[in-house]
Amino acid sequence: GNSVTQMEGPVTLSEEAFLTINCTYTATGYPSLFWYVQYPGEGLQLLLKATKADDKGSNKGFEATYRKETTSFHLEKGSVQVSDSAVYFCALTGSSNTGKLIFGQGTTLQVKP
Amino acid sequence: SAVISQKPSRDICQRGTSLTIQCQVDSQVTMMFWYRQQPGQSLTLIATANQGSEATYESGFVIDKFPISRPNLTFSTLTVSNMSPEDSSIYLCSVESHRVPTQYFGPGTRLLVL
Repeated sequence: GNSVTQMEGPVTLSEEAFLTINCTYTATGYPSLFWYVQYPGEGLQLLLKATKADDKGSNKGFEATYRKETTSFHLEKGSVQVSDSAVYFCALTGSSNTGKLIFGQGTTLQVKP
Repeated sequence: SAVISQKPSRDICQRGTSLTIQCQVDSQVTMMFWYRQQPGQSLTLIATANQGSEATYESGFVIDKFPISRPNLTFSTLTVSNMSPEDSSIYLCSVESHRVPTQYFGPGTRLLVL
């Protein structure tokens, strides 16, 4: 079945450092891929998405490219801020269009001043 | 994106009781979902709330434990029945419109069962 694997956290970085959070997936067909962010004490917010191979999603300085050849959707940001401290979830919906989101285990990012 | 609200935002309940969580959207949506996030864990889909018919439950979740209603295109409820401490979680609803195939989440309901 479909699944998502994220790098384990926590990830601790200094402010202005480069961020990469790895995400790989297993899916049949052509899934849509998402990154969601959960700030402390809050619900999930959509950060970015990509719906087909080679698409690049971007938002708030974050970006991720849908790589079908490596089944990956790594999240990157060139310069993190303390306010980026949160839990980041990679997720996919399958091509069967049921709407079911399958999430990775989440990666906690802590950015220190 | 749609504005989604959930009530209550948090609650502390005694074991054996039931709690009904409401999810309200400010516009009509095609699909509504309920997820559970256990402490320190990722999200797991409980069920898809179907308007005017019975919800579609995922493996491991049953209607007797998590009855769901969806009387119209903007509102749904999830009841956590006969609660135990293992039900302590964040419960989130999400919505999706056929015009924009992306799920947006409510703020969640934080439930603690003693």
